[in-house]
Amino acid sequence: SQTIHQWPATLVQPVGSPLSLECTVEGTSNPNLYWYRQAAGRGLQLLFYSVGIGQISSEVPQNLSASRPQDRQFILSSKKLLLSDSGFYLCAWSVRGSGADTQYFGPGTRLTVL
Amino acid sequence: AQSVTQLGSHVSVSEGALVLLRCNYSSSVPPYLFWYVQYPNQGLQLLLKYTSAATLVKGINGFEAEFKKSETSFHLTKPSAHMSDAAEYFCAVTRPGGTSYGKLTFGQGTILTVHP
Repeated sequence: SQTIHQWPATLVQPVGSPLSLECTVEGTSNPNLYWYRQAAGRGLQLLFYSVGIGQISSEVPQNLSASRPQDRQFILSSKKLLLSDSGFYLCAWSVRGSGADTQYFGPGTRLTVL
Repeated sequence: AQSVTQLGSHVSVSEGALVLLRCNYSSSVPPYLFWYVQYPNQGLQLLLKYTSAATLVKGINGFEAEFKKSETSFHLTKPSAHMSDAAEYFCAVTRPGGTSYGKLTFGQGTILTVHP
């Protein structure tokens, strides 16, 4: 069966510090991968998606970047965090090529920027 | 472009009462629709999905939803609420077809509170 992991689970970082959040998927190959941010009272916002290694699409301009160095690894990064980067970050995967199949979500990372 | 509107950011019901969470969508093509549930500090779990087959979709934990094209709605219901149903619920829409890459557009969420 497929599983998705995210770490760390929680993170408290000062403004201006770098960020690296990691997401890995097990039990499937060639998945579509997604990063979402959930800010308080603002629902889920799609940040990035990837359909393959090294292929990243950004949905919104922001202070963050994403990379996919391996097929089942998706990394969210920032060089300098802002207060507005605080939130709950969710990684998700879906079957590639299906067009509109289910997205399966990881447990999330709670980021607090102080 | 697609959008989802969830009517009511908070819904409160008594244990054993009917649960009705409302979702309306906007889409230029026949959509696929999803309901997810999120418990505090956890990821999202799929409840059910509509992918152009039967319009009445049954999901986990006794939930079901009906796709009504004429009303552009996909409301979530459960006949009898349980305390464990207290959570936040998200409706989401996507456009079928490979070029959408499965990207979902979510509603703002509805927090369901269940009173004893």
